[in-house]
Amino acid sequence: NAGVTQTPKFRILKIGQSMTLQCTQDMNHNYMYWYRQDPGMGLKLIYYSVGAGITDKGEVPNGYNVSRSTTEDFPLRLELAAPSQTSVYFCASSHSGSAYEQYFGPGTRLTVT
Amino acid sequence: GEDVEQSLFLSVREGDSSVINCTYTDSSSTYLYWYKQEPGAGLQLLTYIFSNMDMKQDQRLTVLLNKKDKHLSLRIADTQTGDSAIYFCAESLGNTGKLIFGQGTTLQVKP
Repeated sequence: NAGVTQTPKFRILKIGQSMTLQCTQDMNHNYMYWYRQDPGMGLKLIYYSVGAGITDKGEVPNGYNVSRSTTEDFPLRLELAAPSQTSVYFCASSHSGSAYEQYFGPGTRLTVT
Repeated sequence: GEDVEQSLFLSVREGDSSVINCTYTDSSSTYLYWYKQEPGAGLQLLTYIFSNMDMKQDQRLTVLLNKKDKHLSLRIADTQTGDSAIYFCAESLGNTGKLIFGQGTTLQVKP
């Protein structure tokens, strides 16, 4: 049982490039989340999903897109990367909306230069 | 809007107790949480408290909740060097699992 896995671990992008951050969970969780953590700050919710085919915006969705075609996968797409998107990105999942069950992945550190 | 505030830094000596404080604004929060983040790692849930409770104890951890003042604290008894990390307070919104995090308190434990 791997839990929540994220790839890549690190990535450097040039301004204007695009990329997809991958997130997979093997716990059959319905709820999945993407957060970003800026230096010295707490996590902010980008997008979340309550099940396959259903996604919704969080606090800071601008510049990102998500899809949820399967229960296991919740990729985060960055189009036209900007320096303001330099951050550490965390994916999380939970069985239900009760957040005490939320499990976090190890994170993807992204630098946009 | 919703906001969670924490002090940024706390330094204690090994064996002492640590108290990390947090204030929140959303009185409708159902759960309040404490997460631990070690360097280069993701977040690990330490403990949580339901909003109708005043206190919860879990081994060396004690959570106190003052709903009137919207104040949450985490006490770590007999603090060890392995407790050095960043501690985040978070509140939940509704039943979607959406969390609002504080900016984190860095706990430094000196031998």
